[in-house]
Amino acid sequence: QKEVEQNSGPLSVPEGAIASLNCTYSDRVSQSFFWYRQYSGKSPELIMSIYSNGDKEDGRFTAQLNKASQYVSLLIRDSQPSDSATYLCAVRDYKLSFGAGTTVTVRA
Amino acid sequence: KAGVTQTPRYLIKTRGQQVTLSCSPISGHRSVSWYQQTPGQGLQFLFEYFSETQRNKGNFPGRFSGRQFSNSRSEMNVSTLELGDSALYLCASSSDRNNEQFFGPGTRLTVL
Repeated sequence: QKEVEQNSGPLSVPEGAIASLNCTYSDRVSQSFFWYRQYSGKSPELIMSIYSNGDKEDGRFTAQLNKASQYVSLLIRDSQPSDSATYLCAVRDYKLSFGAGTTVTVRA
Repeated sequence: KAGVTQTPRYLIKTRGQQVTLSCSPISGHRSVSWYQQTPGQGLQFLFEYFSETQRNKGNFPGRFSGRQFSNSRSEMNVSTLELGDSALYLCASSSDRNNEQFFGPGTRLTVL
């Protein structure tokens, strides 16, 4: 089993809709969870970090963490064409372990 | 505050050669981690340096090595290059206060 698994994509959503991204992880001792956005040909950009159970909101982004279920998600509200990118879930113990990424396309 | 910088941005080498990549972290960050990104394997951890000491290491062969200097700048070296080493090599730095890692633009290495 991979350490970090993301829902398979690609995910296509219309402009203004909610994009929902999911991630599960295998290591119960992980304490830090991150979402990165990576545009084609660019490096990953940190968009959200979450450390405790519950929701964390930052602008149009909401991260949700459930440590009992070993599950972390990202919601993108009012999706814009500029949100079209690959979203990487990352879990940290002594290193960052990344999921394979989910490619999101926002249709204008 | 300036971000993480990496040089060079692009490299073309041939099999058997060696290469050195450089990374300058965000000012004040003492931790530097290196990652390899390929289409097939995704993002994989190579190693982490903190205060000039290798703190953690991933599952890569000994041909991959690194070091960190007193100013927190870091270099990684790959010896005896193989075709499979073609990848985007990313450096990330983090502060002592939290685990957030910020990536540089990467070095695109092509091995011919």
